[in-house]
Amino acid sequence: NAGVTQTPKFQVLKTGQSMTLQCAQDMNHEYMSWYRQDPGMGLRLIHYSVGAGITDQGEVPNGYNVSRSTTEDFPLRLLSAAPSQTSVYFCASKMGQRSNQPQHFGDGTRLSIL
Amino acid sequence: GESVGLHLPTLSVQEGDNSIINCAYSNSASDYFIWYKQESGKGPQFIIDIRSNMDKRQGQRVTVLLNKTVKHLSLQIAATQPGDSAVYFCAESIQAGTALIFGKGTTLSVSS
Repeated sequence: NAGVTQTPKFQVLKTGQSMTLQCAQDMNHEYMSWYRQDPGMGLRLIHYSVGAGITDQGEVPNGYNVSRSTTEDFPLRLLSAAPSQTSVYFCASKMGQRSNQPQHFGDGTRLSIL
Repeated sequence: GESVGLHLPTLSVQEGDNSIINCAYSNSASDYFIWYKQESGKGPQFIIDIRSNMDKRQGQRVTVLLNKTVKHLSLQIAATQPGDSAVYFCAESIQAGTALIFGKGTTLSVSS
């Protein structure tokens, strides 16, 4: 198992550009989520999905869209990038919303908006 | 705002010592708590978790203690090793381990 795979690892964008951060997991996990981590801070939840076709907002959803067309993939889209979205983005997955298993994280995408 | 926080941003210990990292949480409805270790350039790595119906849980060299009366969580690492150097985050959830709310993290430095 590769676990949770995030691509790209690094990206630089200009203000106003759009971009999709990719997240894939091969563990057949139902629950997937996106977090952002700013310097010196803990992670904050952006969006999450409890299964294919179902998504919901987290603590900081503004400026981001998600979709979940398959169990494996959970892409995060920035429609018009802003400097405030410069951050490290982490995707995580979990067996199921009510399972006893913890969330497993990818190694992140480091995004800079100029 | 932050509902989970750690008491100390940094902790320095000698190799072989026991380390204790503390965390306070504010939501008494939280039913799940978890500790992650994050090394530079990596994603958070699961260490240990505990549910609100327990007070203590042990893993390999690690123990998590939960005090619901004072809303306090701690991570104990026995015989700390240089490889334990990292940032440690506690997180809480009111939804059985989903929608985690993270604290700011404690940087553990282990010197040999």
